[in-house]
Amino acid sequence: DTGVSQNPRHKITKRGQNVTFRCDPISEHNRLYWYRQTLGQGPEFLTYFQNEAQLEKSRLLSDRFSAERPKGSFSTLEIQRTEQGDSAMYLCASSFAQGNYGYTFGSGTRLTVV
Amino acid sequence: AQKITQTQPGMFVQEKEAVTLDCTYDTSDQSYGLFWYKQPSSGEMIFLIYQGSYDEQNATEGRYSLNFQKARKSANLVISASQLGDSAMYFCAMPPPRGKLIFGQGTELSVKP
Repeated sequence: DTGVSQNPRHKITKRGQNVTFRCDPISEHNRLYWYRQTLGQGPEFLTYFQNEAQLEKSRLLSDRFSAERPKGSFSTLEIQRTEQGDSAMYLCASSFAQGNYGYTFGSGTRLTVV
Repeated sequence: AQKITQTQPGMFVQEKEAVTLDCTYDTSDQSYGLFWYKQPSSGEMIFLIYQGSYDEQNATEGRYSLNFQKARKSANLVISASQLGDSAMYFCAMPPPRGKLIFGQGTELSVKP
């Protein structure tokens, strides 16, 4: 297993366009998390899944954001009608549901909205 | 609700010296864990060390150790023998019972040659 994989690494898009990011977690992990990180700040929680069920969504996740994990494996995060304020690093992590969780992060997708 | 506070936006340390990065936390849970992550400029979050609230000894992983003071609700990271490659952002984090990580604001460490 090569860890958590995120694609693309970088995305530049025009304001108003839709973008989709993909995260492939560690296969044994049943939890998958999405975070957003702006420059100079710590990651902020967006949402997480346990298997295919989306168990929690942050109030940061506006109606323009949607996340899916259809088969309990990879996940996608879509942002519709992007705004300049969406420019950030989007981090994905996976973990076990119990114990000290063993969180592992991907390298992130850096989104720039122009 | 859990809260993590890192009060040092930036720190400088001379190569080969030790440095302590501060982290205080607030939680009403009796059982909890604390993580430290390193984030280089490339962006990935690298796990460094974990401390459980009921662990009797402070956690140690190579050059990283955790100065855990439960009564003060602090979990400071100590990096011994700093190396140039240690220059990065460092985050303290805690999972609430449902598992998502709550992060502090981070400390940017710069190691001087």
